Amino acid sequence: DAGVIQSPRHEVTEMGQEVTLRCKPISGHNSLFWYRQTMMRGLELLIYFNNNVPIDDSGMPEDRFSAKMPNASFSTLKIQPSEPRDSAVYFCASSAQDRGPTEAFFGQGTRLTVV
Amino acid sequence: AQKVTQAQTEISVVEKEDVTLDCVYETRDTTYYLFWYKQPPSGELVFLIRRNSFDEQNEISGRYSWNFQKSTSSFNFTITASQVVDSAVYFCALTSTGGGNKLTFGTGTQLKVEL
Repeated sequence: DAGVIQSPRHEVTEMGQEVTLRCKPISGHNSLFWYRQTMMRGLELLIYFNNNVPIDDSGMPEDRFSAKMPNASFSTLKIQPSEPRDSAVYFCASSAQDRGPTEAFFGQGTRLTVV
Repeated sequence: AQKVTQAQTEISVVEKEDVTLDCVYETRDTTYYLFWYKQPPSGELVFLIRRNSFDEQNEISGRYSWNFQKSTSSFNFTITASQVVDSAVYFCALTSTGGGNKLTFGTGTQLKVEL
């Protein structure tokens, strides 16, 4: 298996622009997580899906952030409009939540820079 | 609420020394899972181990060992005979069914192994 695939790996955009981050989870995994990593705040869970349904989006910073999972093999995280404080590494992770929590496998991350 | 504390921000050792990374957790749930992840300089998050709350047996995998003690709510990680390749940030994480299967991460410990 190729693991969790995220694209793009790097994104530089201007303030005010829309940014879309993409994630393909590991085949067969039914839970998907979006995390953000910054020096100041560490690893923060933004949102997670179970069987394509958003379960908890309490970590989404504000209405400028939205996430979708239209099917089991694809998810997007969108920021509109982007701001410099959104600059961070965004990780997608997936896991097979069956009888209980299992380990999450992370993608390589997308390094977002908003100038 | 769930919380993971990694009090050691940074540790520096000389190659071949043993080093222990501390992790203290808080949860109200009786069923929970603990994890360790490694983040090397390349940036990806690599899963190392999962342990559930009902299994207090210590685990050894090569030079790595983990000590889980419910009495002190700790899940410490020891690297024996450290090597330069062990240099990374190490994260302890916690999830529970009561917590919605969300992975809550500690702030990480930066380990530097020098020659």
